[in-house]
Amino acid sequence: LAKTTQPISMDSYEGQEVNITCSHNNIATNDYITWYQQFPSQGPRFIIQGYKTKVTNEVASLFIPADRKSSTLSLPRVSLSDTAVYYCLGGLSGGSYIPTFGRGTSLIVHP
Amino acid sequence: NAGVTQTPKFRILKIGQSMTLQCTQDMNHNYMYWYRQDPGMGLKLIYYSVGAGITDKGEVPNGYNVSRSTTEDFPLRLELAAPSQTSVYFCASSPQEARGLHETQYFGPGTRLLVL
Repeated sequence: LAKTTQPISMDSYEGQEVNITCSHNNIATNDYITWYQQFPSQGPRFIIQGYKTKVTNEVASLFIPADRKSSTLSLPRVSLSDTAVYYCLGGLSGGSYIPTFGRGTSLIVHP
Repeated sequence: NAGVTQTPKFRILKIGQSMTLQCTQDMNHNYMYWYRQDPGMGLKLIYYSVGAGITDKGEVPNGYNVSRSTTEDFPLRLELAAPSQTSVYFCASSPQEARGLHETQYFGPGTRLLVL
């Protein structure tokens, strides 16, 4: 399976920028990197997706280096409502389509 | 659009009972998925489908069955419920328009299942 590694938990304070890094050493050439956000008692929600360099939307930025073996999700000026679990998906699994969610990173934003 | 809907929201089963978790999407997506999420853990793929009439196993298919007779519906069947199947079950769908692109998945609200 296409494995990813990310920190289990992070703490931050309101107004700070948060960067969550994910490693995906065996990502395939065609695969994209996708990040999801999950609030308690809800299903995951798509945040951002990219292939290389930098992608930005209204929620976050995604930085992907040239070797694509890692990626960094950047959340600018977090608020309490950004407290959630963030999952990084590093593409497909071999020749079959099995997206793999790891344990994710539990982000807690403090007042 | 309602997106992905799941029923029931919560269910308690006795060991050995059976039930079907319903999942419906109204976005005309080809791909649909069933995941389970145990407390404090990530999501594990149970089964997925790339279109009506086609299903395939994910990471943890044992104890479950699925069918996909229409594009909209993807029910998950538990035949002999066991305590190990206590979990939250999420259904998701994606358009999967292009190979190689990990398409955005749209998730339902989940079904919380307790097997006693």
